[in-house]
Amino acid sequence: NAGVMQNPRHLVRRRGQEARLRCSPMKGHSHVYWYRQLPEEGLKFMVYLQKENIIDESGMPKERFSAEFPKEGPSILRIQQVVRGDSAAYFCASSPTIYGYTFGSGTRLTVV
Amino acid sequence: EDQVTQSPEALRLQEGESSSLNCSYTVSGLRGLFWYRQDPGKGPEFLFTLYSAGEEKEKERLKATLTKKESFLHITAPKPEDSATYLCAVQAGSGSEKLVFGKGMKLTVNP
Repeated sequence: NAGVMQNPRHLVRRRGQEARLRCSPMKGHSHVYWYRQLPEEGLKFMVYLQKENIIDESGMPKERFSAEFPKEGPSILRIQQVVRGDSAAYFCASSPTIYGYTFGSGTRLTVV
Repeated sequence: EDQVTQSPEALRLQEGESSSLNCSYTVSGLRGLFWYRQDPGKGPEFLFTLYSAGEEKEKERLKATLTKKESFLHITAPKPEDSATYLCAVQAGSGSEKLVFGKGMKLTVNP
């Protein structure tokens, strides 16, 4: 049973470009969470999704960031018009219920 | 606002030298307190969940305990492979599913 799969592992974007981060949850998991880890900072909650629904986006910046978890396919975290401050590690986690997160290995975004 | 503070920020131990990591928290109704281990370049790996004061859990050389204000991660006779960053997080009982993390504690165990 594969774990939470995130891709790409590393992503380099120029300022103003779009970044798309993908997360395939563990088989049977219907809850997906996205977290961001800035250098020297702890993990910060961004958004919680279930299939086709955003349940809690209280940690998501109001502009340029969006997330989806479609009926088919991976969850996508999309960052439009990236800026240097978006450089961070983005982690996805999934769970079968509301407990017991399993994290992926993350996508490290570098904005140049 | 829910908050988690971990101390110390970094700790160096000699192999076999036992110690404890502290996680202090303030939360509006604790649903669970979580400990994770994170290796460089990897995602957090689940270690323990504690739900109520007085609860203890053990795994190999690690033992986690919980009071109403803090949690301790005790490391007994550590080995170099225990070197990692240890993360503490809380989940509030307010209906939110998010975890609030501390900044982590980087442990280095020298042989």
